[in-house]
Amino acid sequence: DIQLTQSPSFLSASVGDRVTITCRASQDISSYLGWYQQKPGKAPKLLIYGASTLHSGVPSRFSGSGSETEFTLTISSLQPEDFATYYCQQLNSSPWKFGQGTKVE
Amino acid sequence: QLQLQESGPGLVKPSETLSLTCSVSGGSISSNTDYWGWIRQSPGKGLEWIGFIYYSGSAYYNPSLKSRVTISVDTSMNQFSLRLTSVTAADTAVYYCARRGTYFSDNRGHYPLDYWGQGTLVTVSS
Repeated sequence: DIQLTQSPSFLSASVGDRVTITCRASQDISSYLGWYQQKPGKAPKLLIYGASTLHSGVPSRFSGSGSETEFTLTISSLQPEDFATYYCQQLNSSPWKFGQGTKVE
Repeated sequence: QLQLQESGPGLVKPSETLSLTCSVSGGSISSNTDYWGWIRQSPGKGLEWIGFIYYSGSAYYNPSLKSRVTISVDTSMNQFSLRLTSVTAADTAVYYCARRGTYFSDNRGHYPLDYWGQGTLVTVSS
């Protein structure tokens, strides 16, 4: 199985900050990685797929980069509505595992 | 706008079978580009993929749950279902249904979970 490790697990930030979250895969997954945002009591929302392609309707302050085993999600200027937990998911092969999450607080 | 909605019992006894249904509206479950899946999240924990099904009935499962899981599809009702047998307290979780969509980027197909249901909490307890 491909394992995903996110860092950090918790991130303290303020409105306006630039925030970067890292996701490392245990083996090469090319660009088959997605990022999701989850708020308390809600389902996850797709932000990015293909490591760097912004899903429809997602604000441009979100961006993704990386390939093979190292990926990043960047929020260029943190907004109040961005305080949430973020998950990466490998979309390369079964089982389609998620990272353990990064809570931005 | 595609919408998914989970339904089913919120309480299941240990050793019994958990059964949930996901109703799809605003689109057809018989799309030839999409899969339909279940994901769960234990209280305070991360996300765990359970399995996917295609409208033809072809399914594949997380190996860690495969011996206990069945996902089925009913195209006439535009819904798909999850059965998880021999449940224990460890199966207590919010269960989400979702669509695995198809997108093309960098001349490749990408298959993220793009539409989700709101989730339903299933508690395993006697």
